[in-house]
Amino acid sequence: DQQVKQNSPSLSVQEGRISILNCDYTNSMFDYFLWYKKYPAEGPTFLISISSIKDKNEDGRFTVFLNKSAKHLSLHIVPSQPGDSAVYFCAATFFNQAGTALIFGKGTTLSVSS
Amino acid sequence: GAGVSQSPRYKVAKRGQDVALRCDPISGHVSLFWYQQALGQGPEFLTYFQNEAQLDKSGLPSDRFFAERPEGSVSTLKIQRTQQEDSAVYLCASSPGTGDQPQHFGDGTRLSIL
Repeated sequence: DQQVKQNSPSLSVQEGRISILNCDYTNSMFDYFLWYKKYPAEGPTFLISISSIKDKNEDGRFTVFLNKSAKHLSLHIVPSQPGDSAVYFCAATFFNQAGTALIFGKGTTLSVSS
Repeated sequence: GAGVSQSPRYKVAKRGQDVALRCDPISGHVSLFWYQQALGQGPEFLTYFQNEAQLDKSGLPSDRFFAERPEGSVSTLKIQRTQQEDSAVYLCASSPGTGDQPQHFGDGTRLSIL
């Protein structure tokens, strides 16, 4: 049973518009969430994270929103750029617990057209 | 280098052969994780090292999989008597402390079993 779900396999957006990537989780005990970006033939690169004590975290063009009651988080990219085209993985974990693995979703492929 | 380094980048083996995959984490990082990423899936946890101690190997799919980190730095993931279902990308990640986030990933080894 998947604990982290990214239900949209792909998303296409025009350059300059907003990209919204969604992620749902089932385990209410998760208290830390991360987004990773992955280009072909490269490893995942950390993008942004959020602790469960917050509902929003912003870093430049990237904002992550967390809705704990709905067990839902989203990544907003504004404005989207062609270089943002990649696979985006949502991951959940338990913060500051030694050796806790990241639980990943299946990823969403974002395509930004110019 | 400054990042996590994995070798080889690509490995092709015949079914039944043994393979060894190497991970060189970021210098000084205490925690080291191995993940397996099948096609179209997110990375899935295999095993965790804290320095040289393997504290969690609950994700290893069978006793054909073995990992070590004898001096607390470089780690090797070994797969004996490979089978076609072992074909995947194997990712290594490290983090500075025992509960730190984010984990920093290498570019992975793509293993193909013929």
